Amino acid sequence: ETGVTQSPTHLIKTRGQQVTLRCSSQSGHNTVSWYQQALGQGPQFIFQYYREEENGRGNFPPRFSGLQFPNYSSELNVNALELDDSALYLCASSPSGGALETQYFGPGTRLLVL
Amino acid sequence: AQSVAQPEDQVNVAEGNPLTVKCTYSVSGNPYLFWYVQYPNRGLQFLLKYITGDNLVKGSYGFEAEFNKSQTSFHLKKPSALVSDSALYFCAVRDVGNTGKLIFGQGTTLQVKP
Repeated sequence: ETGVTQSPTHLIKTRGQQVTLRCSSQSGHNTVSWYQQALGQGPQFIFQYYREEENGRGNFPPRFSGLQFPNYSSELNVNALELDDSALYLCASSPSGGALETQYFGPGTRLLVL
Repeated sequence: AQSVAQPEDQVNVAEGNPLTVKCTYSVSGNPYLFWYVQYPNRGLQFLLKYITGDNLVKGSYGFEAEFNKSQTSFHLKKPSALVSDSALYFCAVRDVGNTGKLIFGQGTTLQVKP
């Protein structure tokens, strides 16, 4: 196990609702990255937070937003949920935001939008 | 733009036989390459990475990967497969322009039969 935890494990929402997913990073890590993994696909990068600042973003609309807290835990917020938002959401922590750093993943939150 | 390709959706091997899971990449500049494994309903587990140096990289659980610059490949290998190696394997490359971002392949399902 990596020491990265995510909550909740599963979630069911309806279209148009809002959702908040949480991630606690591994001890000593100050960087959290979020990914969306649709069924049968590889993970897609949403964004990364380094020391409470957004440090890069993928091709996701603004209704995907995030926060990182002083203890380096993080939240992913998704507004106006769409059916296509149904996926496994993975967070990963790393010691820093550097290109050489390994990202260690949590178990994920599976979101179903009806 | 950076990308990785995993040309095989599924690889089947018999227990005890060597296994290879293929990955090719396209990057501008130095490639930073990673292999992860995903078991059902779990997050991704880090296996190994190539940053620089020896072309043969050793990782967790007896896995290794061979970096070949001329063929732009980074194939995952193991000398003797175990049934417990059956899982979904992802190759990834670091995005040079967005250093927090890992770009994943579509994944290859490895099936090891007794």
